[in-house]
Amino acid sequence: AQSVTQLDSQVPVFEEAPVELRCNYSSSVSVYLFWYVQYPNQGLQLLLKYLSGSTLVKGINGFEAEFNKSQTSFHLRKPSVHISDTAEYFCAVSEIEGGSEKLVFGKGTKLTVNP
Amino acid sequence: KAGVTQTPRYLIKTRGQQVTLSCSPISGHRSVSWYQQTPGQGLQFLFEYFSETQRNKGNFPGRFSGRQFSNSRSEMNVSTLELGDSALYLCASSLYTGGISLHFGNGTRLTVT
Repeated sequence: AQSVTQLDSQVPVFEEAPVELRCNYSSSVSVYLFWYVQYPNQGLQLLLKYLSGSTLVKGINGFEAEFNKSQTSFHLRKPSVHISDTAEYFCAVSEIEGGSEKLVFGKGTKLTVNP
Repeated sequence: KAGVTQTPRYLIKTRGQQVTLSCSPISGHRSVSWYQQTPGQGLQFLFEYFSETQRNKGNFPGRFSGRQFSNSRSEMNVSTLELGDSALYLCASSLYTGGISLHFGNGTRLTVT
């Protein structure tokens, strides 16, 4: 079974600073990778996804992520964060089991952007 | 286009009771997945329905069940509630089966006392 490790449970950062949220996954086979964001009292919103092709994936709100197959990582980055980026971020990998596909999520990273 | 709608948003139940949560997918979407979110376990997959058939099931006891109707709306039911069932239950819909293009609702917050 797949597993996803988000290495930091909390990341505090100042406004306009760069940020990197780290994610490692367990599988060595081809995978689909995702980053979702969750604002308080809301569901998950897709930030970006890697299905194939270029290893640098650009998403919404200025976020990007780099797929590194050799290191089984999919770290999320933003060069300059805003207060409004304060939220919880989830990395996920697709898993195919019994002919069906589902998402396996990491435990999440709470990003707090301070003024 | 309306997003995924989950009702109710908040629910308080007592141990031993049962509860039914509802999810209306985005129009045209035929797949509905359910996830449980708790502070301790994070996001865990419950089950997925596609065209009224359960396609996949997570590692949850039989007290957790679901169904999907012909209009793609889905319900999940939890019987004999336990304190540990307190969680945010998220529903996600997609055009096709699988997790590539999931659109999530805002969830139902269930509190079991």
